[in-house]
Amino acid sequence: KAGVTQTPRYLIKTRGQQVTLSCSPISGHRSVSWYQQTPGQGLQFLFEYFSETQRNKGNFPGRFSGRQFSNSRSEMNVSTLELGDSALYLCASSPGLNQPQHFGDGTRLSIL
Amino acid sequence: AQKVTQAQTEISVVEKEDVTLDCVYETRDTTYYLFWYKQPPSRELVFLIRRNSFDEQNEISGRYSWNFQKSTSSFNFTITASQVVDSAVYFCALSDSSTGGFKTIFGAGTRLFVKA
Repeated sequence: KAGVTQTPRYLIKTRGQQVTLSCSPISGHRSVSWYQQTPGQGLQFLFEYFSETQRNKGNFPGRFSGRQFSNSRSEMNVSTLELGDSALYLCASSPGLNQPQHFGDGTRLSIL
Repeated sequence: AQKVTQAQTEISVVEKEDVTLDCVYETRDTTYYLFWYKQPPSRELVFLIRRNSFDEQNEISGRYSWNFQKSTSSFNFTITASQVVDSAVYFCALSDSSTGGFKTIFGAGTRLFVKA
């Protein structure tokens, strides 16, 4: 079974730009969560989607948004990028609520 | 409030030593789930174990064991006879609905170095 796939692996952007990250969950997994990982803040929850609906959202500004498609694939978008958005963005999928999550390798976003 | 505290930032041991990673959680919910994940260097997080709040039975899996104590809100993880391959960052996580809708909160992680 293929694991969680995140694209791209690396991304370099400049302040003010916007970016879209993609996540393909494990086949059959309907829940997709996104996390931001930084050395200072650790793993912080961004949002979680289930069957195309956002069920929960973390404490991030509205510049961070996401969506999930009917095939469970998910995208997250960050607009008006700031230097502090530089981080590893992780996607995790699970079969359902409170089930163990399977993580992708992440997208490393660097803002110049 | 929903919170996970891993007070140990880094631990360094010599191979074959036993090591315990501490995890203390806070939640108002009576129904919640606790997890441990492992993140080897430059690798993705890997699920290790899940416990629900109604199951306080300790668990042993090979060299790994977990001690869940609701009375102290702790879910500690012990590695027996550690090996170099155990070197990784270990995360404890809590999933509950105290914020409205279940979401998972991770602790800051404990970086474990196992020296040969």
